[in-house]
Amino acid sequence: EAQVTQNPRYLITVTGKKLTVTCSQNMNHEYMSWYRQDPGLGLRQIYYSMNVEVTDKGDVPEGYKVSRKEKRNFPLILESPSPNQTSLYFCASSLGVGGGHTIYFGEGSWLTVV
Amino acid sequence: KQEVTQIPAALSVPEGENLVLNCSFTDSAIYNLQWFRQDPGKGLTSLLLIQSSQREQTSGRLNASLDKSSGRSTLYIAASQPGDSATYLCAVGPDSWGKLQFGAGTQVVVTP
Repeated sequence: EAQVTQNPRYLITVTGKKLTVTCSQNMNHEYMSWYRQDPGLGLRQIYYSMNVEVTDKGDVPEGYKVSRKEKRNFPLILESPSPNQTSLYFCASSLGVGGGHTIYFGEGSWLTVV
Repeated sequence: KQEVTQIPAALSVPEGENLVLNCSFTDSAIYNLQWFRQDPGKGLTSLLLIQSSQREQTSGRLNASLDKSSGRSTLYIAASQPGDSATYLCAVGPDSWGKLQFGAGTQVVVTP
Protein backbone atom coordinates (compact mmCIF):
# COMPACT_ATOMS: atom_id res chain seq x y z
CA GLU A 1 0.00 0.00 0.00
CA ALA A 2 1.29 3.45 -0.97
CA GLN A 3 1.81 5.49 2.15
CA VAL A 4 3.69 8.18 4.01
CA THR A 5 4.50 7.14 7.57
CA GLN A 6 5.32 9.54 10.36
CA ASN A 7 6.56 8.75 13.86
CA PRO A 8 5.82 9.53 16.57
CA ARG A 9 2.15 10.34 16.09
CA TYR A 10 1.90 11.97 19.50
CA LEU A 11 4.67 13.44 21.64
CA ILE A 12 4.90 15.65 24.70
CA THR A 13 8.41 16.93 25.33
CA VAL A 14 10.16 19.59 27.35
CA THR A 15 11.77 22.80 26.17
CA GLY A 16 15.28 22.27 24.87
CA LYS A 17 15.22 18.50 24.55
CA LYS A 18 16.20 17.57 21.00
CA LEU A 19 13.74 15.47 19.10
CA THR A 20 13.33 13.97 15.65
CA VAL A 21 10.11 13.24 13.81
CA THR A 22 10.68 10.60 11.19
CA CYS A 23 8.99 10.45 7.80
CA SER A 24 9.21 7.59 5.36
CA GLN A 25 7.49 6.98 2.01
CA ASN A 26 7.33 3.76 0.01
CA MET A 27 6.47 5.24 -3.40
CA ASN A 28 9.97 6.12 -4.64
CA HIS A 29 8.98 9.78 -4.64
CA GLU A 30 11.53 12.47 -5.43
CA TYR A 31 9.77 15.33 -3.63
CA MET A 32 9.17 15.42 0.13
CA SER A 33 8.08 18.23 2.37
CA TRP A 34 7.19 19.14 5.96
CA TYR A 35 4.31 21.35 7.09
CA ARG A 36 2.96 22.56 10.36
CA GLN A 37 -0.71 23.27 10.92
CA ASP A 38 -1.86 25.80 13.49
CA PRO A 39 -5.35 27.13 14.21
CA GLY A 40 -5.99 30.31 12.28
CA LEU A 41 -2.73 30.01 10.33
CA GLY A 42 -3.46 26.97 8.21
CA LEU A 43 -0.75 24.76 6.76
CA ARG A 44 2.68 26.32 6.39
CA GLN A 45 5.65 24.77 4.66
CA ILE A 46 8.74 24.26 6.84
CA TYR A 47 11.27 22.57 4.55
CA TYR A 48 11.14 20.63 1.33
CA SER A 49 13.42 18.39 -0.68
CA MET A 50 13.42 17.98 -4.43
CA ASN A 51 15.74 14.98 -4.32
CA VAL A 52 18.35 13.20 -2.24
CA GLU A 53 20.82 15.64 -0.66
CA VAL A 54 18.77 18.62 -1.92
CA THR A 55 16.77 20.51 0.68
CA ASP A 56 15.44 24.04 0.88
CA LYS A 57 13.61 26.31 3.28
CA GLY A 58 9.89 26.82 3.15
CA ASP A 59 8.02 29.68 4.77
CA VAL A 60 8.72 28.87 8.44
CA PRO A 61 12.11 27.09 8.72
CA GLU A 62 13.33 28.75 11.93
CA GLY A 63 14.05 26.24 14.69
CA TYR A 64 13.98 23.21 12.39
CA LYS A 65 16.48 21.12 10.48
CA VAL A 66 16.04 18.39 7.92
CA SER A 67 18.18 15.90 6.07
CA ARG A 68 17.63 13.77 2.98
CA LYS A 69 20.32 11.13 2.92
CA GLU A 70 18.16 8.59 1.14
CA LYS A 71 15.14 8.93 -1.07
CA ARG A 72 12.57 7.32 1.18
CA ASN A 73 13.32 9.19 4.44
CA PHE A 74 13.02 12.85 5.36
CA PRO A 75 13.33 13.40 9.11
CA LEU A 76 12.43 16.69 10.80
CA ILE A 77 14.78 17.68 13.60
CA LEU A 78 14.02 20.12 16.40
CA GLU A 79 17.41 20.81 17.97
CA SER A 80 16.06 22.84 20.90
CA PRO A 81 12.26 22.77 20.90
CA SER A 82 10.34 25.71 22.29
CA PRO A 83 6.65 26.03 23.23
CA ASN A 84 5.90 27.96 20.02
CA GLN A 85 6.73 24.78 18.11
CA THR A 86 3.73 23.06 19.64
CA SER A 87 1.76 22.12 16.56
CA LEU A 88 0.45 19.41 14.27
CA TYR A 89 3.12 18.38 11.79
CA PHE A 90 2.60 16.74 8.42
CA CYS A 91 5.03 15.10 6.07
CA ALA A 92 4.13 14.81 2.40
CA SER A 93 5.61 13.39 -0.77
CA SER A 94 5.00 13.34 -4.50
CA LEU A 95 6.66 11.91 -7.57
CA GLY A 96 7.91 15.35 -8.53
CA VAL A 97 7.03 19.00 -8.87
CA GLY A 98 5.39 20.49 -11.89
CA GLY A 99 2.38 19.02 -13.59
CA GLY A 100 0.14 16.20 -12.60
CA HIS A 101 1.69 14.73 -9.47
CA THR A 102 -0.63 14.06 -6.57
CA ILE A 103 0.71 14.89 -3.13
CA TYR A 104 0.37 12.23 -0.43
CA PHE A 105 0.27 13.15 3.23
CA GLY A 106 1.13 11.30 6.39
CA GLU A 107 -1.36 11.03 9.24
CA GLY A 108 0.28 13.83 11.20
CA SER A 109 2.35 14.15 14.36
CA TRP A 110 0.95 16.03 17.33
CA LEU A 111 3.81 17.71 19.16
CA THR A 112 3.47 19.51 22.48
CA VAL A 113 6.45 21.35 23.96
CA VAL A 114 6.10 22.31 27.62
CA LYS B 1 4.68 35.30 -3.04
CA GLN B 2 1.62 33.24 -3.90
CA GLU B 3 -1.34 33.95 -1.62
CA VAL B 4 -4.21 31.45 -1.47
CA THR B 5 -7.59 32.39 0.01
CA GLN B 6 -10.63 30.26 0.72
CA ILE B 7 -14.03 31.75 1.33
CA PRO B 8 -16.15 31.05 3.28
CA ALA B 9 -14.21 29.79 6.29
CA ALA B 10 -17.19 27.70 7.37
CA LEU B 11 -20.34 26.45 5.73
CA SER B 12 -23.35 24.51 6.98
CA VAL B 13 -25.89 22.96 4.60
CA PRO B 14 -28.73 20.47 4.88
CA GLU B 15 -28.22 17.04 3.40
CA GLY B 16 -28.93 16.90 -0.32
CA GLU B 17 -27.87 20.43 -1.13
CA ASN B 18 -25.00 21.09 -3.51
CA LEU B 19 -21.82 22.48 -2.00
CA VAL B 20 -19.77 25.21 -3.65
CA LEU B 21 -16.33 25.92 -2.21
CA ASN B 22 -14.13 28.71 -3.48
CA CYS B 23 -10.37 29.10 -3.72
CA SER B 24 -8.56 32.14 -5.09
CA PHE B 25 -4.86 32.69 -5.75
CA THR B 26 -2.82 35.75 -6.61
CA ASP B 27 -0.25 34.42 -9.09
CA SER B 28 -1.75 32.78 -12.16
CA ALA B 29 1.56 31.12 -13.14
CA ILE B 30 0.74 27.84 -11.45
CA TYR B 31 1.56 24.22 -12.22
CA ASN B 32 -1.17 22.46 -10.29
CA LEU B 33 -4.06 23.13 -8.00
CA GLN B 34 -5.15 20.39 -5.66
CA TRP B 35 -8.17 20.01 -3.44
CA PHE B 36 -7.81 18.06 -0.21
CA ARG B 37 -10.15 16.83 2.47
CA GLN B 38 -9.14 16.78 6.13
CA ASP B 39 -11.11 15.06 8.86
CA PRO B 40 -10.57 16.20 12.47
CA GLY B 41 -7.21 15.05 13.80
CA LYS B 42 -6.37 13.31 10.54
CA GLY B 43 -4.09 13.80 7.59
CA LEU B 44 -5.02 15.26 4.23
CA THR B 45 -6.56 13.17 1.50
CA SER B 46 -6.21 14.32 -2.08
CA LEU B 47 -9.58 14.72 -3.81
CA LEU B 48 -8.79 16.23 -7.18
CA LEU B 49 -5.74 17.60 -8.96
CA ILE B 50 -6.04 20.08 -11.82
CA GLN B 51 -3.02 20.73 -13.96
CA SER B 52 -2.48 24.24 -15.27
CA SER B 53 -3.47 23.18 -18.80
CA GLN B 54 -6.81 21.79 -17.61
CA ARG B 55 -10.07 23.58 -16.92
CA GLU B 56 -11.73 21.01 -14.71
CA GLN B 57 -11.56 17.57 -13.14
CA THR B 58 -14.35 15.29 -12.02
CA SER B 59 -14.54 12.35 -9.67
CA GLY B 60 -17.93 10.96 -8.75
CA ARG B 61 -19.96 13.70 -7.05
CA LEU B 62 -16.97 16.05 -7.06
CA ASN B 63 -16.10 18.54 -9.76
CA ALA B 64 -13.34 21.11 -9.60
CA SER B 65 -12.85 23.94 -12.06
CA LEU B 66 -9.84 26.13 -12.66
CA ASP B 67 -9.75 29.62 -14.16
CA LYS B 68 -6.16 30.81 -14.13
CA SER B 69 -6.94 34.16 -15.70
CA SER B 70 -9.15 35.14 -12.78
CA GLY B 71 -7.10 33.25 -10.20
CA ARG B 72 -9.96 31.04 -9.07
CA SER B 73 -10.87 27.44 -8.51
CA THR B 74 -14.21 26.09 -7.39
CA LEU B 75 -14.99 22.71 -5.87
CA TYR B 76 -18.56 21.48 -6.37
CA ILE B 77 -19.92 18.61 -4.34
CA ALA B 78 -23.26 17.39 -5.61
CA ALA B 79 -26.04 16.10 -3.37
CA SER B 80 -24.13 16.53 -0.12
CA GLN B 81 -24.19 13.84 2.56
CA PRO B 82 -23.36 13.96 6.29
CA GLY B 83 -20.20 12.01 5.46
CA ASP B 84 -19.01 15.01 3.45
CA SER B 85 -18.58 16.96 6.69
CA ALA B 86 -14.89 17.86 6.88
CA THR B 87 -12.48 20.68 6.17
CA TYR B 88 -11.63 21.20 2.52
CA LEU B 89 -8.33 22.78 1.58
CA CYS B 90 -6.98 23.94 -1.73
CA ALA B 91 -3.26 24.09 -2.46
CA VAL B 92 -1.36 25.69 -5.31
CA GLY B 93 1.86 24.02 -6.47
CA PRO B 94 4.40 22.69 -5.90
CA ASP B 95 6.06 25.17 -8.22
CA SER B 96 9.40 24.53 -9.91
CA TRP B 97 11.16 25.58 -6.69
CA GLY B 98 9.13 23.12 -4.62
CA LYS B 99 6.92 25.66 -2.89
CA LEU B 100 3.37 24.66 -2.05
CA GLN B 101 0.87 27.18 -0.70
CA PHE B 102 -2.33 26.22 1.08
CA GLY B 103 -5.51 28.11 1.69
CA ALA B 104 -6.83 28.19 5.26
CA GLY B 105 -9.63 25.80 4.41
CA THR B 106 -13.42 25.75 4.48
CA GLN B 107 -15.03 23.79 7.29
CA VAL B 108 -18.16 22.07 6.00
CA VAL B 109 -20.99 20.63 8.07
CA VAL B 110 -23.76 18.72 6.35
CA THR B 111 -26.76 18.26 8.61
CA PRO B 112 -29.09 15.25 8.24
